[in-house]
Amino acid sequence: EPEVTQTPSHQVTQMGQEVILRCVPISNHLYFYWYRQILGQKVEFLVSFYNNEISEKSEIFDDQFSVERPDGSNFTLKIRSTKLEDSAMYFCASSEALRVRSNQPQHFGDGTRLSIL
Amino acid sequence: GIQVEQSPPDLILQEGANSTLRCNFSDSVNNLQWFHQNPWGQLINLFYIPSGTKQNGRLSATTVATERYSLLYISSSQTTDSGVYFCAVERRGSEKLVFGKGTKLTVNP
Repeated sequence: EPEVTQTPSHQVTQMGQEVILRCVPISNHLYFYWYRQILGQKVEFLVSFYNNEISEKSEIFDDQFSVERPDGSNFTLKIRSTKLEDSAMYFCASSEALRVRSNQPQHFGDGTRLSIL
Repeated sequence: GIQVEQSPPDLILQEGANSTLRCNFSDSVNNLQWFHQNPWGQLINLFYIPSGTKQNGRLSATTVATERYSLLYISSSQTTDSGVYFCAVERRGSEKLVFGKGTKLTVNP
């Protein structure tokens, strides 16, 4: 069964540094998402991406964050200047785009655990 | 925004017991998914179930969309079922999944 893959599985970064989290969505999927989960808390939506642009974002997704689809397979999340509170598990997800997009499940990767020191 | 409430927040079972987890949501939804988060943090998709009933082995789920709730049934629980179970919904007109706070399940041998 095709799956969403994320790299690295664990990233340790000094506060103030830039970090890029990488994701390879399922190949025929056209909707992409990032979510994050602070330790012990629920999973929160960050951003959705379709047709090479952000289609929806949360209030968490401020100017420190950006997303990009640099080629036909990768989808990245960049945090420009990391803060201690950015420490979390970051999940990438993707879903199919049919004529009517609704009623399609989102498929999640295994996550990248980001630790800011 | 849409509210998602899961109950109970914590559940402790003996191996072999059955359980029911509940998810209530406050608005009409296009999508509802149940996930199991294992001790390594991975989110395992259990069911995509915006309405109706599905079964997969010892697990089954039912969503009554008109009454805005979903139930996850675990039968003959095993220690490997331990972890946190999340319900997540996608409101009509939105693209994001909104997660509940989860039910932490502990199955003791």
